[in-house]
Amino acid sequence: EPEVTQTPSHQVTQMGQEVILRCVPISNHLYFYWYRQILGQKVEFLVSFYNNEISEKSEIFDDQFSVERPDGSNFTLKIRSTKLEDSAMYFCASKDYNSPLHFGNGTRLTVT
Amino acid sequence: QQQVKQSPQSLIVQKGGISIINCAYENTAFDYFPWYQQFPGKGPALLIAIRPDVSEKKEGRFTISFNKSAKQFSLHIMDSQPGDSATYFCAASIQGGSEKLVFGKGTKLTVNP
Repeated sequence: EPEVTQTPSHQVTQMGQEVILRCVPISNHLYFYWYRQILGQKVEFLVSFYNNEISEKSEIFDDQFSVERPDGSNFTLKIRSTKLEDSAMYFCASKDYNSPLHFGNGTRLTVT
Repeated sequence: QQQVKQSPQSLIVQKGGISIINCAYENTAFDYFPWYQQFPGKGPALLIAIRPDVSEKKEGRFTISFNKSAKQFSLHIMDSQPGDSATYFCAASIQGGSEKLVFGKGTKLTVNP
């Protein structure tokens, strides 16, 4: 079964540094998402992306965050200047028109 | 309005027993209600989903019951097995538009052998 692939599985960075989290969505999917999960808490929506533009973003997704689909296969989340509170599990997800949302296994981001 | 409230926070069930997890929502525009199962170190995986035009959906040992008037839905796991031990999240979304999922806080299910 096709999968959403995320790299790296674990990223450690220092406060104030930029990080880029990478995702390869399922190949025929058209809708792309980033969610995050702070340890032990619920999964929270960050941003949705369709037709090469953001379709919706949450209050969490401030000016420090950006997303990009640089080519036909990758979907990235960039955090420009990381804060301690950005430490979380970040999940990429994708779907087609009538398919359910498929999640990757996540990138654990640790900001020190 | 956008919240989905889930209970209990944790649940311990004996093997063979029935696990029941409940969720409630406020936004009547929600029209898609999935349940996700998450094992440690993994992403959430879709277990079963329901739309508000039906009151119940069953897939194997997993059943969703949906009460539109009460704005509540629940997951029942029949004949619970140790392999069902995981965290379960209910969610809701509005089809069309961004279709973002609003998740409940999760229920950690432990099935004892």
